Amino acid sequence: GESVGLHLPTLSVQEGDNSIINCAYSNSASDYFIWYKQESGKGPQFIIDIRSNMDKRQGQRVTVLLNKTVKHLSLQIAATQPGDSAVYFCAEEGGGSNYKLTFGKGTLLTVNP
Amino acid sequence: NAGVTQTPKFRILKIGQSMTLQCTQDMNHNYMYWYRQDPGMGLKLIYYSVGAGITDKGEVPNGYNVSRSTTEDFPLRLELAAPSQTSVYFCASSRSSTSGDLYEQYFGPGTRLTVT
Repeated sequence: GESVGLHLPTLSVQEGDNSIINCAYSNSASDYFIWYKQESGKGPQFIIDIRSNMDKRQGQRVTVLLNKTVKHLSLQIAATQPGDSAVYFCAEEGGGSNYKLTFGKGTLLTVNP
Repeated sequence: NAGVTQTPKFRILKIGQSMTLQCTQDMNHNYMYWYRQDPGMGLKLIYYSVGAGITDKGEVPNGYNVSRSTTEDFPLRLELAAPSQTSVYFCASSRSSTSGDLYEQYFGPGTRLTVT
C-alpha cells in the first residue's frame, strides 16, 4: 500500500475560517516532507516543506506540523480564501538520499464564500 | 526563468502508436522526474534522473523509456501505447545538494494523454 495517506479526502470550510489538512506516513526513515497545492488543470505547486529535525514551520498563512512519534503531518491554512480551493498533497522523501518523493492521494479543499 | 515546460499539452494516440513527451527546465537543476496522475489520485513516479546520463526506474516504469543527454531535457518515450497509459503526465525538477538533501520539486503544466 501507499506509505503516505490522508485522513480526509474532502474538506469544506467557510471563507475566513482556518483549515487543517492531515496526512499520515508510514516510513519512519523519511526525513523530508512537502505540501503541494494543485489547482484544476495545473501542475502541483510547492507550498511549504519541513525536515525531520523540525516539528513546526511557518510560511505566509500556512503552518506545517510534524509529529514523528505518531508519523503525522498537518497543514494549517489561516483565514482560508476562495483562492485556496484546490487539492492538497503531502509527499515524503524516504531518507537515504534516494532522491524520490512518495505522494499521498490528496485532499480536496473547498472554500465556501 | 520559464521553469519547467512540457509539450504537447494534449495528445490523443491510437493503441500501438508511440510518442515522446518533451520536458525542459531552465533552472540548471540536476534532478528531474516524470510522474503520471490518474483521475482522483496522487502522483506516481515513472522514471527519474539525478544528472545527465543517469536515469533510474520509479514506481511504474513499464511501457516507458527515458533519456537524459543534457541537464535541461528529460524526454519520456511511450512505445506501443495502451489504454492503461491514459493519464496526465507531469515532469518535475529539483536542485541537488552536496549533502544529498532533497529540495522541493518544481512541476511543469502537464501533458494530458488519451489512448483509444
